[in-house]
Order: sequence, then structure tokens, then C-alpha cells
Amino acid sequence: DTAVSQTPKYLVTQMGNDKSIKCEQNLGHDTMYWYKQDSKKFLKIMFSYNNKELIINETVPNRFSPKSPDKAHLNLHINSLELGDSAVYFCASSHVRGPSYEQYFGPGTRLTVT
Amino acid sequence: RKEVEQDPGPFNVPEGATVAFNCTYSNSASQSFFWYRQDCRKEPKLLMSVYSSGNEDGRFTAQLNRASQYISLLIRDSKLSDSATYLCVVLSGGGADGLTFGKGTHLIIQP
Repeated sequence: DTAVSQTPKYLVTQMGNDKSIKCEQNLGHDTMYWYKQDSKKFLKIMFSYNNKELIINETVPNRFSPKSPDKAHLNLHINSLELGDSAVYFCASSHVRGPSYEQYFGPGTRLTVT
Repeated sequence: RKEVEQDPGPFNVPEGATVAFNCTYSNSASQSFFWYRQDCRKEPKLLMSVYSSGNEDGRFTAQLNRASQYISLLIRDSKLSDSATYLCVVLSGGGADGLTFGKGTHLIIQP
């Protein structure tokens, strides 16, 4: 059973297109996240959702919008894709209350913008 | 100033050796600490949480020094399968905040 799953695994698209990445978790966690790992392998938080509310929104372009239909799903929509958006995007989930705040990651979506 | 700093390596270590990594964090209010492991083209996977009292899981031992704001990971009797990038990770807020990752230390175990 996959705990955190993402689709698609690979996404190749042209500049200017709009695309979505889907994420689902079956761990019963109440918070989900999106991270970006750039070409230098640096992982950085983009968004988190808790109980359908956006908790943090780092300084990412507003072309990126997270959408959470329920607490088991957090999708990422990207409009007007740019070359610099090429990266690996990871979804993650965790409990928001302790004692454990451990986050579990999906397998990643490798986005290539041409 | 970077929030979580690690030596990027690579650390080239013979099989069976003991290897230690350190990392430092800048936010003194940080509350939770972790070591994650990331294999090439894979997602980060939790290796272990780090507690003030120190904790051990098999060949792996993690230590936290809050006064000096550093975290360590010790791997004993290293195996070829330990080759990976080890990420020092800090949670500075409540559970709803994201994790702050170091850039990782690349470990290569040589036969």
C-alpha cells in the first residue's frame, strides 16, 4: 500500500502551458505539503494545507496554486509554465499535532519545461 | 545566514568504517529535528528523529546539542547500502509548518 502517492511521475511540457500534479495520502494525516527540489538538489517548502486551509504560503509565484478537495488530497496547479519551473515536486503529509511531526513524502513528480 | 548547514561532502568511506555527520541550525526556537535519507532520484525518507537525550536505532545514533545548535548522526559498521545523501532537517514552528532542509551530505561507501 502506497502511503503518499503522486501522479504523474514524469511531466514534460512546453512553456506557457498549464498543468496539474495530484497527490493523495492514506495515512490519515491532517496536513499535506508541497516541496520543490531544484537542479541543485535543494528541497524547499512551497505550501501546506491543514483542514482545507492554507497554513503557509512561501514566496512562490502566484502561478502556483494548491487545491485540496479533502484532507487526503492536495493537488498543485501551475499556470503559464516557465523554464525555471523545471524541478522535482514532492508531496508530503504529517499530523499537525505532536508528539510526532514526522513528514512522509511521495515519490516525486519530475517536471521538465521545454 | 543559511538556516540549516551541512558539509556537502562527498564522504568516501570504506565499508565497515564509522562515519559521522554534523549539521548546524540557526533558529534557536526550533522544536523538532530529523535525519532523512535520499537516494538518487528518489524521495526523502525518514531515517530517524533526533531527541535531546540522544537516540539510537541499530547502527545509527543521533545526537542533539541545543546549546550549540547542532545535530549529529553516527553510522557504525557502514554498509554499501548506506550510500546516499543524508539530509539534516529542522521543524521550527508547530506541526503545520514545513520542514527546513539542509542541502545534504553525500556519502559513498566503498567496497
